[in-house]
Amino acid sequence: GQQVQQSPASLVLQEGENAELQCNFSTSLNSMQWFYQRPGGSLVSLFYNPSGTKHSGRLTSTTVIKERRSSLHISSSQTTDSGTYLCALEPGGSAKLIFGEGTKLTVSS
Amino acid sequence: DMKVTQMPRYLIKRMGENVLLECGQDMSHETMYWYRQDPGLGLQLIYISYDVDSNSEGDIPKGYRVSRKKREHFSLILDSAKTNQTSVYFCASSLQGNTLYFGEGSRLIVV
Repeated sequence: GQQVQQSPASLVLQEGENAELQCNFSTSLNSMQWFYQRPGGSLVSLFYNPSGTKHSGRLTSTTVIKERRSSLHISSSQTTDSGTYLCALEPGGSAKLIFGEGTKLTVSS
Repeated sequence: DMKVTQMPRYLIKRMGENVLLECGQDMSHETMYWYRQDPGLGLQLIYISYDVDSNSEGDIPKGYRVSRKKREHFSLILDSAKTNQTSVYFCASSLQGNTLYFGEGSRLIVV
């Protein structure tokens, strides 16, 4: 089965609402990263977060290794947050990242 | 300037032709990657390079080969392109597997 599963697959919000994106993994974890991708665009790193909680503006990433999950919280969403959010994990120090299929977020005004 | 540059950005090739996708980075990162992204399949690792002439297969290496003769350059080669290699190809680099920096992508259509 898939080693990295993201949920939900898609999410529609009104501007100002909060979003909670989940990433569950079934393998050992050396590192976890979150990326943002605009439609037809490249990937931009949001967080490198192998464990614990990190903040960046309206974004918060929390990785709990024992529970094999990582989450991305977006507070007070804006229309410019629309796009796809991908998590990727690196098992066992190989530097080979395995990506989830992403959560497509649409924020409407 | 922390940049990963891919060339060409768009390419149309006939089945059986050779394809060269080039990637450069200016961060002296030792690790570089080639991924392809397809709807419903997400990002799949084709090859990883740990440094010059130190390349390793990813999950889907069949039909591809790579070349890394300088730390800042990593090339993806398709010998005799197939229609199922139509995709968007992303190059990335990182420092020892930490934060990945991606290029803008190369959109390849094989007809």
